[in-house]
Amino acid sequence: EIVLTQFPGTLSLSPGERATLSCRASQSVSSNYLAWYQQKPGQAPRLLIYGASSRATGIPDRFSGSGSGTDFTLTISRLEPEDFAVYYCQQYGSSPKYTFGQGTKLEIK
Amino acid sequence: EVQLEASGGGLVQPGGSLGLSCAASGFTVSGNYMTWVRQAPGKGLEWVSVIYSGGGTTYYADSVKGRFTISRDNSKNTLYLQMDSLRAEDTAVYYCAGGAKYYFEYWGQGVLVTVSS
Repeated sequence: EIVLTQFPGTLSLSPGERATLSCRASQSVSSNYLAWYQQKPGQAPRLLIYGASSRATGIPDRFSGSGSGTDFTLTISRLEPEDFAVYYCQQYGSSPKYTFGQGTKLEIK
Repeated sequence: EVQLEASGGGLVQPGGSLGLSCAASGFTVSGNYMTWVRQAPGKGLEWVSVIYSGGGTTYYADSVKGRFTISRDNSKNTLYLQMDSLRAEDTAVYYCAGGAKYYFEYWGQGVLVTVSS
């Protein structure tokens, strides 16, 4: 089973700053199989990035994904007030089929 | 516009059963990979089950294997999750989601399942 570990657990930043969120896998993950989601309180998650670096439909270009192998990164270039939320990475594998990281909470400093 | 409308949540006693539904519009359930993801109160996301497009191969998380059954009705364009032998630790908001094989592009609004006596 591949375990995804996200860090930091909480990130405190101000609007306009750059955010770097990390996701580390316990085994190598194909880049095609790594995705990122944003979740705001009381809402369903929203797909941001798939295939490690492809933005989903309607996602602003301030969101970008990178990485390969066991280390993946979600970068938000200039934080907007609406970006403060919890972010999850997710991978597709063999067993279990899908796993999520524990999440990074991005909060306003 | 794609919409996934989940329903069927509620309060059930330990050991009981409950069925969830997820009606899709603007989107074909049989032509996409459909999944259930849950989130316990104050916790992260946990994948529960998936049904593949076409032939309908299914997979389950170990935590629900043998107790939950995922299915779909192509004529109703609806996804289901039958949950039996429910436990307190199954208490969560359950989301239906779907789209591609490797990630979940479309999400429903979530329904709360509470397992308690």
